[in-house]
Formats: sequence, structure tokens, C-alpha cells
Amino acid sequence: DIQMTQSPSSLSASVGDRITITCQARQDITNYLNWYQQRPGKAPQLLIYDAANLETGVPSRFSGSGSGTDFTFTISYLLPEDVATYYCQQYDNLPLTFGGGTKVEIK
Amino acid sequence: QVQLVQSGAEVKKPGASVKVSCKASGNTFTRDFMHWVRQAPGQGLEWMGMINPVNNSTIYAQKFQGRVTMTRDTSASTVYMELSSLRFEDTAIYYCASARYQWLIYFRHWGQGTLVTVSS
Repeated sequence: DIQMTQSPSSLSASVGDRITITCQARQDITNYLNWYQQRPGKAPQLLIYDAANLETGVPSRFSGSGSGTDFTFTISYLLPEDVATYYCQQYDNLPLTFGGGTKVEIK
Repeated sequence: QVQLVQSGAEVKKPGASVKVSCKASGNTFTRDFMHWVRQAPGQGLEWMGMINPVNNSTIYAQKFQGRVTMTRDTSASTVYMELSSLRFEDTAIYYCASARYQWLIYFRHWGQGTLVTVSS
């Protein structure tokens, strides 16, 4: 199984801040990496696919980058509605595996 | 627009089985690969397996091999996930999610989740 290490596990930032979350794969997964947002009590929602592609309808303040083993997810301007847990997910190999999640809160 | 609607919450005793359904609306059921992902209380996401729409073949995570069965009913546009020999640690929200392609696995559509509680 491909282990996905996500950090930090939680963060608190102010409205308007730029935040970055990292996800590291234990082996090369090319760009087969997605990012999801999960608001409390809701199902996850796809934000970024193939490491850097913004899903249709997702605001442009969200972005992703990286390839190989190291990936980054950024919110360029944090808004209150971005309070959620964010997960990376690899699909280079089955079983699909997710990072442990990053809980984002507003200061 | 694809919509996935799951069956309601369940409470089961240890050792019992549970069968969760996921009904798809929209016209993509016959082509979409359906996956199941679970989330224990306060925990992260865990992939359980998938079912192929072309031949109904399945791939399960090794952790669930022998305990999970995923099936499809094309006439009802519904997929099912049955988990047997339930343990307390199977208490979780179970999600179905669809992927358009077999090997480009990103989940654009999710069910609302079904809470399964294992309690004596």
C-alpha cells in the first residue's frame, strides 16, 4: 500500500491568509493525486485532480502542485467557508489511499 | 447531473451483517465505476473497494477481503455493499462514490453517507 503523509494535521489561520498543506507519498505516484474538502457532517468534495487541475466550479483561490512524491495544496486567500478538513488521495496503485487529513480553522 | 442517494442508518450487533445501498440518478450508472469509502468517527477516509460496471467484477482492499461483497442491480441503478462479521471497529459512515474511468480515479460524486453503528 502507498502511504500518504499529510501535514500539518491541523492549522489555524486568519481570514485572508495564504495556507499550504503538503502531502508526501512513500513512492513515486507521478501526478495521480487528488485533493478533497470535507466540511463537518458532509461528504468529501473534489477540489483538485491530477495534482494541479482545478475541478469545475471550484474557486480559483484553491490550487495544487507537485509530482512524484511531493505535493502541495494551497488556499491563496482563506475565507470562513473554507473551514473543513482537507485530504489528499493517490490513485497510482490500488488500494487507493488517503492522507490523514488537515483540519483548517479560522483564528 | 449525477446524484447518489444511500440507504438510511443502521444499528447492528457484533457478528451480524449489514447491506448498504446507493441509488444513482442521471444517465451514467451503466458506465461509472462505483467505489465504497468509509470513515470511522473522527477519523480519516478508508477505501474499501470498487465494482466494474462493464462486467460486475470487483476489487476489494485486502483488509476487507472475505467480509465485503459489492454488487450492482442495473435495472434499479443501485449498487450494494454488504459487510459481514461486523465488529465494533466497523462503526463508521460508509460512502459510495463514482468514478468515470477505471484508472483515473477521482470522485466527483458522493453519496450522502450511511452511518453504521455496531453495538451490543
